[in-house]
Amino acid sequence: ETGVTQTPRHLVMGMTNKKSLKCEQHLGHNAMYWYKQSAKKPLELMFVYNFKEQTENNSVPSRFSPECPNSSHLFLHLHTLQPEDSALYLCASSHPVQGPNYGYTFGSGTRLTVV
Amino acid sequence: SQKIEQNSEALNIQEGKTATLTCNYTNYSPAYLQWYRQDPGRGPVFLLLIRENEKEKRKERLKVTFDTTLKQSLFHITASQPADSATYLCALVLNRDDKIIFGKGTRLHILP
Repeated sequence: ETGVTQTPRHLVMGMTNKKSLKCEQHLGHNAMYWYKQSAKKPLELMFVYNFKEQTENNSVPSRFSPECPNSSHLFLHLHTLQPEDSALYLCASSHPVQGPNYGYTFGSGTRLTVV
Repeated sequence: SQKIEQNSEALNIQEGKTATLTCNYTNYSPAYLQWYRQDPGRGPVFLLLIRENEKEKRKERLKVTFDTTLKQSLFHITASQPADSATYLCALVLNRDDKIIFGKGTRLHILP
């Protein structure tokens, strides 16, 4: 385990469902990120939180709604998704003070399938 | 336009040989360049960072070079092993506090 835990690992949902993805880290990191990874595409940054404050929303559709109640937890709330939203959703964390020296620590991801 | 390009095809290397992966970028001036490893169904794992003023960095069997004139980084795995088979991602960091921009990755297969 990397220290970043994502649940669930797999999720199948209908287009009218509402579900949430959860990410948790106890590494003492203050920055957390949501990424989308689709086949044959680079990782797409969705949201960035620094010290619980959202600092970036990368033109993500409103059917994705992030929530960061504290520096250790990050959620991604999903509603009325489309089949093209099926992908691996990755959470990552980092320690801004350390800079890029240690990279991002990623969770194992949630494999989402929208039917 | 800004681009990060990695070998689009999978790379097959015989066990024991050196595997070399390429990362080229266009219209970026990164201060740092990182390499990650990703196994199927898992998130990327950070391997190495190299700074713009460094030509080469080594860690065990890994070696990374960074040529800011050519806008290219090479990632070498010496004495490759089947366990090195994975997808390797190159990532640019424009400034110390900036977000990371990832390439698509190159799938590496080490053949026994």
